[in-house]
Amino acid sequence: ELVLTQSPGTLSLSPGERATLSCSPSHTVSNNFLAWYQQKPGQAPRLLIFRASTRATGIPDRFSGSWSGTDFTLTISRLEPEDFAVYYCQQFDSSSVTFGGGTKVEIK
Amino acid sequence: QVQLQESGPGLVKPSQTLSLTCTVSSGSINSGGFHWNWIRQLPGGGLEWIGSVYYTGSTFYNPSLESRVTISVDVSENRFFLELTSVTAADTAVYYCAREFYSSWYRYFDFWGQGTLLTVSS
Repeated sequence: ELVLTQSPGTLSLSPGERATLSCSPSHTVSNNFLAWYQQKPGQAPRLLIFRASTRATGIPDRFSGSWSGTDFTLTISRLEPEDFAVYYCQQFDSSSVTFGGGTKVEIK
Repeated sequence: QVQLQESGPGLVKPSQTLSLTCTVSSGSINSGGFHWNWIRQLPGGGLEWIGSVYYTGSTFYNPSLESRVTISVDVSENRFFLELTSVTAADTAVYYCAREFYSSWYRYFDFWGQGTLLTVSS
């Protein structure tokens, strides 16, 4: 069973700062099936990134996804006030779907 | 753009069967290349995939829930459904339906419903 470990659990930053979020799979996975979502309170998750590094339609270019070895990273280059939210990574793995536990980006 | 809307009872008693409906609008559920999913968010915030259905009726389920889950589709009504049997308090969650873009090269959930809170309590 795949486990996606997200770190840190909480990231306290100020607007304008850079946010770096990590997602580590318990075993090697395909980057083609790794996505990132943003969720704000009371709302459904919103697709940000798919295929590990491709921005979804309408997503600002301050959001970027990358990978190195087996680990994946979501970077927000300069935090805007509307970016403070919870971020989830998610992987499609053979016949199942796994979400990470989430990283909360909060205002410092 | 595609819209999804969940509907259901809101409250279910323990041991009963949970039944939810997802109505799809501004898009056809029988468009190839999409799977139609149920995902829930537990009170602690974690997201858990329940399963999916293709317009042909083919299904995929989370192994941890498979024994209790049935997902079905009604193409004529542009809706799909979730049934979860023998519910307990641990099934209390916000239930989302979501469209999955599916290809050999990449997959992702691109449209989600607003979610419906399902509470299991006597």
